[in-house]
Amino acid sequence: QSVLTQPPSVSAAPGQKVTISCSGSSSNIGNNYVSWYQQLPGTAPKLLIYENNKRPSGIPDRFSGSKSGTSATLGITGLQTGDEADYYCGTWDSSLSAGEWVFGGGTKLTVL
Amino acid sequence: EVQLVESGGGLVKPGGSLRLSCAASGFTFSSYSMNWVRQAPGKGLEWVSSISSSSSYIYYADSVKGRFTISRDNAKNSLYLQMNSLRAEDTAVYYCARDAGGWYGVEYFQHWGQGTLVTVSS
Repeated sequence: QSVLTQPPSVSAAPGQKVTISCSGSSSNIGNNYVSWYQQLPGTAPKLLIYENNKRPSGIPDRFSGSKSGTSATLGITGLQTGDEADYYCGTWDSSLSAGEWVFGGGTKLTVL
Repeated sequence: EVQLVESGGGLVKPGGSLRLSCAASGFTFSSYSMNWVRQAPGKGLEWVSSISSSSSYIYYADSVKGRFTISRDNAKNSLYLQMNSLRAEDTAVYYCARDAGGWYGVEYFQHWGQGTLVTVSS
């Protein structure tokens, strides 16, 4: 059971919009930045969003991130078949004395 | 261009040991924290361990604490993970990932290697 909760799967048609939620608590999302990672089939994860809503260079503006309280959301507009991947949220969790990084369980995006 | 190349994976028996390495290039290695993240077959990402730029701060997931040791050699631009008392549940692809920061905690994983597979089986 992951500390951060994501829906196991989402789906939408090409050209449509989809959102992926990531729910946590005050010890993680509530007090720290959230980042998002995309993992295409058979490849290593790639940074998609950092510090809640910033995109690294090369990431198209079809991808967006937001955070409110203890939840975060990844949005993808203009869906393409190449967006089919697993998406993970992550953040620092300071509930333990030393702290730890936590990931969500991942969400599989299917572009129908 | 940032490059992270993992090595050292393979097949090991339960209770055995293995040492993973990550060779870094394309950036000033000594300025950044480094991390290990693993992914069991068909499962999600699991953070394993992090080490700050000067090795002052080291963190472990509870699942590996006391069995794994993270270290780095800034002169050799290399990151290591010594894995002892390996269990079947440690079977995974292990990724080396560069942090965005260099000091306390983990900011986010800015760059990733391609991973090395560790299989623990008799």
